Amino acid sequence: DAKTTQPPSMDCAEGRAANLPCNHSTISGNEYVYWYRQIHSQGPQYIIHGLKNNETNEMASLIITEDRKSSTLILPHATLRDTAVYYCIVRVDYYQLIWGAGTKLIIKP
Amino acid sequence: DAGVIQSPRHEVTEMGQEVTLRCKPISGHDYLFWYRQTMMRGLELLIYFNNNVPIDDSGMPEDRFSAKMPNASFSTLKIQPSEPRDSAVYFCASNPGTDYGYTFGSGTRLTVV
Repeated sequence: DAKTTQPPSMDCAEGRAANLPCNHSTISGNEYVYWYRQIHSQGPQYIIHGLKNNETNEMASLIITEDRKSSTLILPHATLRDTAVYYCIVRVDYYQLIWGAGTKLIIKP
Repeated sequence: DAGVIQSPRHEVTEMGQEVTLRCKPISGHDYLFWYRQTMMRGLELLIYFNNNVPIDDSGMPEDRFSAKMPNASFSTLKIQPSEPRDSAVYFCASNPGTDYGYTFGSGTRLTVV
């Protein structure tokens, strides 16, 4: 059962903001949204997570809609090194992450 | 901190052979996870441990797969006997028991021929 829906691929120009959307319309009230990315041939890397409020850290910002049915990951100034597959994940149980197919983000010079 | 360390980085073995994958979690991380990644199925949780005790092994595909964590700094995932369909990248990850994300290792790329 897919808990999240993401576009399969996106392009973004280097230096611009990359906005990655995610739909999670069946999310429950206590389920967190997590974002990870996976650069080619590496292990997934944690980016950010949130429950209801918008969150920001040194890597990205996470905007969650008020009804919590969708969210957007924002990379404010994309670089070529941000080219990766980005996963939007709903945490079902405390340690059960449901991984989807992700969005392949390509940053172009 | 060296992060989560996995070995070997690559493993090629013949069908029927035993394969052992190794993982050293980050010191102080009480949770350890084993994942498998394939093109067809994506990332799948195989098993996870808390304080060296297996908590959920419902993702282990068959009895051919077994995992152990003899102490807080070492875990193994064993496949015996191995089959070509076991070919995948196997990741180990750890977490200190907080809501923050897991730290993944670099993975072991297993090829069974």
